[in-house]
Amino acid sequence: GAVVSQHPSRVICKSGTSVKIECRSLDFQATTMFWYRQFPKQSLMLMATSNEGSKATYEQGVEKDKFLINHASLTLSTLTVTSAHPEDSSFYICSASWDRVTNTEAFFGQGTRLTVV
Amino acid sequence: EDKVVQSPLSLVVHEGDTVTLNCSYEVTNFRSLLWYKQEKKAPTFLFMLTSSGIEKKSGRLSSILDKKELFSILNITATQTGDSAVYLCAGGPGAGTYKYIFGTGTRLKVLA
Repeated sequence: GAVVSQHPSRVICKSGTSVKIECRSLDFQATTMFWYRQFPKQSLMLMATSNEGSKATYEQGVEKDKFLINHASLTLSTLTVTSAHPEDSSFYICSASWDRVTNTEAFFGQGTRLTVV
Repeated sequence: EDKVVQSPLSLVVHEGDTVTLNCSYEVTNFRSLLWYKQEKKAPTFLFMLTSSGIEKKSGRLSSILDKKELFSILNITATQTGDSAVYLCAGGPGAGTYKYIFGTGTRLKVLA
């Protein structure tokens, strides 16, 4: 299957700082990438959908100024958590898809565990 | 509001048992349902179901979709300890938007 690499896998940062998470599709061109957040023992909550070359579409309740998403190329999307606070501590996962027309499955990155202290 | 509900929330079985996991959905413009297995980190893809009544199989795992009753089941036969994981299902509108709604998952524990 297709490979999606997410980096870093774990990050600890101080409150008030910004953290950037990268999501790369290694062997295919991802026209669309998705960012999810997962709290302990809860399901994946879609935060935003990013299409290469255009602005991300954010889900209701997700602050676009706090969670900056950039999808500058067909293989890379980044999520920047700005001015992080302890309540932003969570598990963030990206997924990527290459073909919206035939509705192929999405492939997930390994996830990033963010801890804000 | 779109939602996906999975049951049971958790399940403990012994090796060799057969389990059935349930997923019901209410998703606007539904087109496909995905099943994932999540162990410690990222979910891994199991099945994508788009047609009603057609069973998909992969080894000891199989899944089927009922678009009339709006649910899907995931069966695991002859369970092994390595099957212990959280199983997620997600319903989505498919082509054009690819926005999937995830259920809360079923936590399966298989005892030796």
